[in-house]
Parts: sequence; C-alpha cells; structure tokens
Amino acid sequence: QSVLTQPPSVSAAPGQKVTISCSGSSSNIGNNYVSWYQQLPGTAPKLLIYDNNKRPSGIPDRFSGSKSGTSATLGITGLQTGDEADYYCGTWDSSLSAEVFGGGTKLTVL
Amino acid sequence: QVQLVESGGGVVQPGGSLRLSCAASGFTFSNYGMHWVRQAPGKGLEWVTFIPYDGSNKYYADSVKGRFTISRDNSKNTLYLQMNSLRAEDTAVYYCAKDMANYGSGKFEYWGQGTLVTVSS
Repeated sequence: QSVLTQPPSVSAAPGQKVTISCSGSSSNIGNNYVSWYQQLPGTAPKLLIYDNNKRPSGIPDRFSGSKSGTSATLGITGLQTGDEADYYCGTWDSSLSAEVFGGGTKLTVL
Repeated sequence: QVQLVESGGGVVQPGGSLRLSCAASGFTFSNYGMHWVRQAPGKGLEWVTFIPYDGSNKYYADSVKGRFTISRDNSKNTLYLQMNSLRAEDTAVYYCAKDMANYGSGKFEYWGQGTLVTVSS
C-alpha cells in the first residue's frame, strides 16, 4: 500500500489530453514539492516534472503539473503512442522522514 | 552528459550480503546528494536510502534500516550500497539516482540503468 494514491491506469486516444492524479496528506504533498517520473517499458524512470510544475530541460510543454492542497495532478496534452508508460508521483514525507512514491499509473494511448 | 552506471547485482541466498556500486560521470559528483531506489519485479518504485554530498546525515526506508548502509567515495566518483541480511522481499532492480541538490531535494534528476538483485535459495 503506497503512501501516495494514484489510479492504476488511464487511457485516451492519440491527440487527446489525459490527467493523472496523486493524492496524499499534509505530511507529504500538503507541505512538500511534488515530482513526476515517466518510466517507459524496460527502461529507468525519467524526471518529468519537479517542484509541482517545473519541467527539466528537454521535456516538452505537453507535460504539465499542478498541486492543490494534498493532491497533485500530471497533465499530458497531444497524446502520442510514445507516451505509453508508467507514471509515478513522488515527494518527501515529513512524518516518515522518507521519500515516498505513488503506486504508479499505466497510461495507454488507444 | 550525466552517466550513472550500477554494478554488483546478482543472485544471493537469504541472509547473505551484497555490495552495489554506482559509478558517476558527467557532473561534479562531490556536489550532489545521491539516492538508491528499487523496483521489485512488476511493482512500483520504492525509495531505499539517501546520502548528502558530504556523506553526513543519511536516511533510510524503514524496510532496510539496520541492514543496508549507503556510502560514497567522492575521490572515486562512486556511490555504494552495502546490503546485509538479505531477504526474498529485497529482490528488485536497484537504481542509483542523482539528486538536484547537495543536501537533498527529493528530486531524482538522473537515474542509472539499474542492477538486478535476486535473493533466493
């Protein structure tokens, strides 16, 4: 059971938009920055979003992040088949003194 | 470009030990905090441990506290994970990851390709 809660899967058609939610508590998302990671099949995770809504160099602006209270959301517009991957949210948990991840969301581009 | 290359994985019996290494290049290793993150087969990511740039305060997940030890050699640009008293549930791909900051920001900026550890009799 993960500290952060994500939907197990989401799907949408190419060109469409999808959002992935990440729910936590005041000890983690509520008082700390959230990051998002993309893990393509058979590869290592890759940083997609940090500090709730910032994109590292090279990440297209089709990817966006937001945070409100104890929840965070990853948005992906203009979906491509190459976006099919597992997506994870992560943050620091002040009560656990540990980094925590969501259980991951599998994105299918139909 | 940043490169992180893990090594040292393999098959080990329950109760055994293993030491993982992560060779870093493409950045000033001594300026950044480093993490180990693992992923059991078919499962999600689990943070394991963190060490700041100077090797001072270290953090561990409860699941490995007292059994695993993280360390670094800044003269060799290498991160280590000593794993003792291994259990079947420690079976996973172990990734090293570079933090964005020196004392830890929780942002895993770059990841290695991972090394598989299998604990089995």
